[in-house]
Amino acid sequence: DAMVIQNPRYQVTQFGKPVTLSCSQTLNHNVMYWYQQKSSQAPKLLFHYYDKDFNNEADTPDNFQSRRPNTSFCFLDIRSPGLGDAAMYLCATSSRGAGGYSNQPQHFGDGTRLSIL
Amino acid sequence: GQNIDQPTEMTATEGAIVQINCTYQTSGFNGLFWYQQHAGEAPTFLSYNVLDGLEEKGRFSSFLSRSKGYSYLLLKELQMKDSASYLCAPRSGGSYIPTFGRGTSLIVHP
Repeated sequence: DAMVIQNPRYQVTQFGKPVTLSCSQTLNHNVMYWYQQKSSQAPKLLFHYYDKDFNNEADTPDNFQSRRPNTSFCFLDIRSPGLGDAAMYLCATSSRGAGGYSNQPQHFGDGTRLSIL
Repeated sequence: GQNIDQPTEMTATEGAIVQINCTYQTSGFNGLFWYQQHAGEAPTFLSYNVLDGLEEKGRFSSFLSRSKGYSYLLLKELQMKDSASYLCAPRSGGSYIPTFGRGTSLIVHP
């Protein structure tokens, strides 16, 4: 089945120690997103790629970076995690149509729950 | 920016009907999504509305009024497995990316 896969499901890191979360997709979607979601809060968009074009949200901390080496993979790098970065990180994909818009929904991976010690 | 307002929590009885409301303010409008999210899991797509009216999909229906900035998700014949958070996600005009509300936590009890 075509899907969005995130690894690992659970990640524990130390305060200040860099960590990388990964996402892969077999849907061949041209847009990939990273969201941060804390308990009982809305998913917060960090950034997204439309093909190779990177789009950073204005309030995403500089501590967060992303790479998309090819259509299928996208990575979230947290350079120096702080206690406030403990959250669920969700990767999603979607297909953006030729006109720029689509009624197709986003497809989410199962998320990586990040804990900071 | 966008303002999205949903009730924080609702409770209902198994077999009943529940309506989850969402009001929003967007710069223009380009469709509204509803997602279901079980605790600790990823959101899954339920419905999409771009025109006024009701979209029915099995036990779930979604309604949209663009002039009122209002949508609701209607869940019929509630089952215990419907206990989850329901996220309203409108999309501004000119954008292909929806913005998520904080969700309504629905608790279904026997």
